[in-house]
Amino acid sequence: DTQITQSPSSLSASVGDRVTITCRTSQDIGTYLNWYQQRPGKAPKLLIYAASRLQGGVPSKFRGSASGTEFTLTISSLQPADFATYYCQQTFSAPYNFGQGTKLDLK
Amino acid sequence: QVQLQESGPGLVRPSQTLSLTCTVSGGSISTGSFYWNWIRQHPGKGPEWIGYISYRGSTFYNPSLKSRVAISADTSKNQFSLKLNSVAAADTAVYYCARGTDSSGTSDSWGQGTLVIVS
Repeated sequence: DTQITQSPSSLSASVGDRVTITCRTSQDIGTYLNWYQQRPGKAPKLLIYAASRLQGGVPSKFRGSASGTEFTLTISSLQPADFATYYCQQTFSAPYNFGQGTKLDLK
Repeated sequence: QVQLQESGPGLVRPSQTLSLTCTVSGGSISTGSFYWNWIRQHPGKGPEWIGYISYRGSTFYNPSLKSRVAISADTSKNQFSLKLNSVAAADTAVYYCARGTDSSGTSDSWGQGTLVIVS
């Protein structure tokens, strides 16, 4: 199985800040990685697929990138609605597992 | 716009079978090239992909759950279902159904989720 290490597990930031979340995979998975946002009590929402492709309707303030086995999600100009938990998911091979999550909260 | 809605018992006894149904509206589960996923999330943890049934009716499961899981579809009702047998407390989770854009588990539309407690 492909293991994922997501960091940090929590992150405090202010409105207007830019933040970066990282997922490292245990093997080369190309660009087979997605990013989701989950607000409390809600289902996850697909933000980015194939490492850097923006899902329809998602603002361009969300940017994904990949370098080898390291994947990053950058969120610019944080707004109140952005404070949520973010998960990565590898889609290279079953069981298509998710990272442990990064909870982004207001400083 | 496709919508998904989970339904089923919120409480299941240990060793029994968990059964959930997902009703899809706004699109047919048997057309297009979509895959219909079940995903669960234990409290405070990341989601866990359970498996899918494809628009053609083929299934694929998480190897860690494969021996206990079955996903089926009723195209006449535009529903797909999850059965997980021999449940234990560790199966307590929020269960989501979701539309997959391909066979990779990428899910672009989700139901609201339903909490199932095994006790």
